[in-house]
Amino acid sequence: GENVEQHPSTLSVQEGDSAVIKCTYSDSASNYFPWYKQELGKGPQLIIDIRSNVGEKKDQRIAVTLNKTAKHFSLHITETQPEDSAVYFCAASKTYKYIFGTGTRLKVLA
Amino acid sequence: DAGVIQSPRHEVTEMGQEVTLRCKPISGHDYLFWYRQTMMRGLELLIYFNNNVPIDDSGMPEDRFSAKMPNASFSTLKIQPSEPRDSAVYFCASATEGVGQPQHFGDGTRLSIL
Repeated sequence: GENVEQHPSTLSVQEGDSAVIKCTYSDSASNYFPWYKQELGKGPQLIIDIRSNVGEKKDQRIAVTLNKTAKHFSLHITETQPEDSAVYFCAASKTYKYIFGTGTRLKVLA
Repeated sequence: DAGVIQSPRHEVTEMGQEVTLRCKPISGHDYLFWYRQTMMRGLELLIYFNNNVPIDDSGMPEDRFSAKMPNASFSTLKIQPSEPRDSAVYFCASATEGVGQPQHFGDGTRLSIL
């Protein structure tokens, strides 16, 4: 069935360093790839998304890249800050149903 | 603008009791989704509605689970009878029309079945 693999499961970085989270999807028909940030006790919040007709998208310190051939997409956070500490989820979809990755717990060390 | 509103935020009840979770989607959103989040299974889609009509309930785990959307501004997820393995965080999300539109999540209901 459809599957999204996400790595790493945990990631610790020093404040100011960059963080990269990678996802691989199985369904080549997937065409929409959102990224969510989930803080403790809160629901997932959309931080950036990308569609299959675009290879890269950037929003301030956050960027997402998509390689359709390899079925990979990645989240890049530059100049990390303590408030970036959270769990990040990737997802892939071709319809209204999202297939979520298993999440990455990011810790930014001050 | 108000986001997706869920109630209650926490629910603790005994096994066998009926549980009702509530959701108010963002005004103007045509799609409503119910998810369950656990450590073991991550985020799972249970059911989703379009214009108040259930479209796909293939993720509903058992007949003990039911969901309704009587109007565009309200939905419920009911578990009857509840079991300890139903303990999880339940999220509601809503979205506008169009594949590839982002889903906006509420802050969830943390359900504990004793």
